[in-house]
Amino acid sequence: AQSVTQLDSHVSVSEGTPVLLRCNYSSSYSPSLFWYVQHPNKGLQLLLKYTSAATLVKGINGFEAEFKKSETSFHLTKPSAHMSDAAEYFCVVTVNQAGTALIFGKGTTLSVSS
Amino acid sequence: EAGVAQSPRYKIIEKRQSVAFWCNPISGHATLYWYQQILGQGPKLLIQFQNNGVVDDSQLPKDRFSAERLKGVDSTLKIQPAKLEDSAVYLCASSLSDRANYGYTFGSGTRLTVV
Repeated sequence: AQSVTQLDSHVSVSEGTPVLLRCNYSSSYSPSLFWYVQHPNKGLQLLLKYTSAATLVKGINGFEAEFKKSETSFHLTKPSAHMSDAAEYFCVVTVNQAGTALIFGKGTTLSVSS
Repeated sequence: EAGVAQSPRYKIIEKRQSVAFWCNPISGHATLYWYQQILGQGPKLLIQFQNNGVVDDSQLPKDRFSAERLKGVDSTLKIQPAKLEDSAVYLCASSLSDRANYGYTFGSGTRLTVV
């Protein structure tokens, strides 16, 4: 069965420092992977997606993620954190090869201090 | 483009009462999903519609939850009777295609508290 594991439930960084949110996946096929962000009292927003093209994926707001098949990882990074990046981040995998629905990880809360 | 509309935003009910949530997807989106997000967890798929037909309801607790999408547009999700463990945010999402790669648009959700 397909699954994702977000290795950190909470990450704290200072403004201007790099962000790393870790995600490992398990899949019996070549998956599509996503990162979504959820700000308080807001809907989920797609940050970026990997769909078997380039392994380094660039998303919105300066975020990027690298698909590493050998490590079954899809970590999310950003060179310099901004206060507005504080939110809940979800790593997501498609439920089947057809990609008809999504399975979400448990989420990582990112806190950014000034 | 207007987003996915959900109502109400908040609802508090007593256990064993019934409750209904409403979702209006983006115009033209054939696929509609309901997800349940319990505090501290990621969203979990409850049911998926393609137009007005159910594609996947394997995770829906059918003894108390029901959902419909009449005319392939708006959808309602009902819980009857509610239990304490149903306290969660209920998210509706819609997509042009049943392929997740096309991208979902999520609504802001309905926060249900069962007391």
